[in-house]
Parts: sequence; structure tokens; C-alpha cells
Amino acid sequence: ETGVTQTPRHLVMGMTNKKSLKCEQHLGHNAMYWYKQSAKKPLELMFVYNFKEQTENNSVPSRFSPECPNSSHLFLHLHTLQPEDSALYLCASSQVRNQPQHFGDGTRLSIL
Amino acid sequence: GESVGLHLPTLSVQEGDNSIINCAYSNSASDYFIWYKQESGKGPQFIIDIRSNMDKRQGQRVTVLLNKTVKHLSLQIAATQPGDSAVYFCAEAQSSYDKVIFGPGTSLSVIP
Repeated sequence: ETGVTQTPRHLVMGMTNKKSLKCEQHLGHNAMYWYKQSAKKPLELMFVYNFKEQTENNSVPSRFSPECPNSSHLFLHLHTLQPEDSALYLCASSQVRNQPQHFGDGTRLSIL
Repeated sequence: GESVGLHLPTLSVQEGDNSIINCAYSNSASDYFIWYKQESGKGPQFIIDIRSNMDKRQGQRVTVLLNKTVKHLSLQIAATQPGDSAVYFCAEAQSSYDKVIFGPGTSLSVIP
């Protein structure tokens, strides 16, 4: 039990589909993050939410849309994705920013 | 640009030996450094961190060394075990920002 749960674990979608990734943390943390992990590349930070407010958007294309309804839940809405968006999407949380982050096990996304 | 990099992409060690994983960083403004371990099919797991006001920190079987003069970070694992086989990431951050920059990772293989 990592304390950070991501669903689904695997997702296959076409380029015209709309889907959402969900992240839930049970640790009472106030900061949540979305990362993209591609093969042979470092982890790329996508979005940061601190106390439900977005504080970082790391030049992510608008086809990725985050939502943070409360401190425990984080969503990543996907639409009109491209094949190069296939990757492992990781959610993390921390007590406050720049504290050790706790990661979920990710959603493996494949775009057909 | 600023980046965090690893000297060795792969490392093989005999079970019971000590492992040393190295990391170079280039942003002199970074003041917080973290090591993560990622096992296959799982998200990164926090191992140990160190702030720039320290040059050494010890955990259970792990030690992190920070040399700010040469911008170098290392992770030492004592008595390496098969369960230590994983990819290890170093990461750097600045306390005043949300952004954590991850290195590309080193794959550690333990030979029984």
C-alpha cells in the first residue's frame, strides 16, 4: 500500500477518445503532482497543485487538462492525444512542496 | 540548460558488496536533493534526502554524500541484496520552487 492510488493501471485509447486518469492519496498531503515517464528519458514534471491551486504548468500541451477538486484527488483529463503521448503517467503527493514525494504505481497509457 | 545527470546508466554488483551510484548536478542554486528507487512495474519510492547544509546523511544501509564544490551526489548501499535491484534516480530542487528535476536513472543489478 503506497498511500497513493492510481486508476486505471493500464489504458489503451484512440487518438480521438476522451479519458481521464485518477489519483487519490490517503496521506493527508497538501501537494499533488503529475509526471510523465517515457522510456529512456528522465521523469518529466507536468503539473503541480499546492492546496488545490495549480502552481506549475510545465509547458504541457492543452490536450492534457488537470483537475484537483480537493487535496486528496487529482485527475488528468485526456483528449485528442498523439502516439508520442504513450508513456507511464505517475501521480505523486507530498506534505507540502519540496518535501519527499510519495508516488503511485502509475497508469500505463498507450495511444493507438 | 540546468540538468541532473548520472555518470553510469547501468551498474552490476555482487550480492553482499557495497554499491555506489553517482549523480552530477549543474544548478548551483539547488539546495535539496533526493534519491528514489523504482522497481519494475512500480512508481518511484523515496529512499533518502539531503539538504545543502549537510554533506552526509545516513539511513538504513544507505548513505548519501553531497559535495557542493564539484556538484556531485552519491548514494551508497551497504551489503547490497537482490531486492536492491532497481533503477535509482537522483533529483534536485530549490526550496523556493515546486519543481523537482530528476536525473535519467541508473539501473542496478545485483548478482546472486
